[in-house]
Amino acid sequence: KAGVTQTPRYLIKTRGQQVTLSCSPISGHRSVSWYQQTPGQGLQFLFEYFSETQRNKGNFPGRFSGRQFSNSRSEMNVSTLELGDSALYLCASSSLTGAYEQYFGPGTRLTVT
Amino acid sequence: KQEVTQIPAALSVPEGENLVLNCSFTDSAIYNLQWFRQDPGKGLTSLLLIQSSQREQTSGRLNASLDKSSGRSTLYIAASQPGDSATYLCAAALFGGKLIFGQGTELSVKP
Repeated sequence: KAGVTQTPRYLIKTRGQQVTLSCSPISGHRSVSWYQQTPGQGLQFLFEYFSETQRNKGNFPGRFSGRQFSNSRSEMNVSTLELGDSALYLCASSSLTGAYEQYFGPGTRLTVT
Repeated sequence: KQEVTQIPAALSVPEGENLVLNCSFTDSAIYNLQWFRQDPGKGLTSLLLIQSSQREQTSGRLNASLDKSSGRSTLYIAASQPGDSATYLCAAALFGGKLIFGQGTELSVKP
């Protein structure tokens, strides 16, 4: 079974621009969560989607948004990029059955200059 | 508000040693607790998951325990190897799937 995939793997953007990151979950998984990882703040929860609905949201400004499609693939968008948005963005998928284990993708490294 | 703390922040040991990584959480109302490994610049690899009703899980040289009443989990690594060098993260899963992560323990195993 293929794992969680994220595209692109690396991205360089300029302040003020916007960016869209993509995540394809493990086949059959309907829950997708997004996390931001920075050296200073560690791993922080952004939001979680299940069946195209955002069920949970972390403490991030409205510039961070996401969506989920009917095939469970998810995208997150960051508008008006700031230098502090430079981070590794990780997505995780879960089947929401049994142990509720979450599986992470390799991440997208975003650099804002 | 759930907070997760990991001690120590960094650990350097010679090859072959047995070691223990510690994780504590402030709210016992967790769904499960997961231990992850992260290599530099990479994503997270799930090592072990302990459901809230369980006390421990084992996988090869790894053993993780959970004590909800005291808000603690430990990851035991037996006979450490240089390939175990990585950052180890514990995460408490809240109901609804949100993971709260500790800051991690950076492990270095010297040959």
